[in-house]
Amino acid sequence: QVQLQESGPGLVKPSETLSLTCTVSGGSVSSGSHYWNWIRQPPEKGLEWIGYISYSGSTNYNPSLKSRVTISVDTSKNQFSLKLSSATAADTAVYYCATVAWAAAAGTGYYYYMDVWGKGITVTVSS
Amino acid sequence: DIQMTQSPSSLSASVGDRVTITCRASQSIGSHLNWYQLKPGKAPNLLIYGASSLQSGVPSRCSGSGSGTDFTLTISSLQPEDFATYFCQQSYSTPWTFGQGTKLEIK
Repeated sequence: QVQLQESGPGLVKPSETLSLTCTVSGGSVSSGSHYWNWIRQPPEKGLEWIGYISYSGSTNYNPSLKSRVTISVDTSKNQFSLKLSSATAADTAVYYCATVAWAAAAGTGYYYYMDVWGKGITVTVSS
Repeated sequence: DIQMTQSPSSLSASVGDRVTITCRASQSIGSHLNWYQLKPGKAPNLLIYGASSLQSGVPSRCSGSGSGTDFTLTISSLQPEDFATYFCQQSYSTPWTFGQGTKLEIK
């Protein structure tokens, strides 16, 4: 069973880059069975999908964050990472990493869903 | 972006009650709808995917239904561990989007 653990600084200064890592255990970031995904939840708000990276290295980002986001994989450490540049107070949130799995849909295509999540890490952007 | 609207935003219920949470999409998403449970300090938990498929390990008192734009999550016979916040999420098209959440509290 895959398990995920987020890590990184809990405090980031405005205009700096927010950098987080998700360590994968019980599975491999090189496997073709999942995409590797980031989500966040600002205080008192709902969940926001940030983006994912596939096993082949292709990425899909939320257009609202695309100009500032980079998601990458480190196969040697079995980790994937999030970098969010030019951080502002609006980036203060609990950040979650999660796996994306898929199942065949009725007819054609696939149902995509986030089946395993980390516990989340609180990041505050403040001077 | 596809907007997801949940109702109610909060709900008070008792152990043993049956509750239903509704999620509406701003356009048709087929059955590309997932439900998650969030508790403070814990990893979120996938409950339902594909609108009605129960994730492995999730109690059968949870069920999902709907297609197109209107979906429901039903929990029959609430247990103490069910008091949490629930989110729907569409995976029909990116950017994937979530509902604003429904907080289920003990009456």
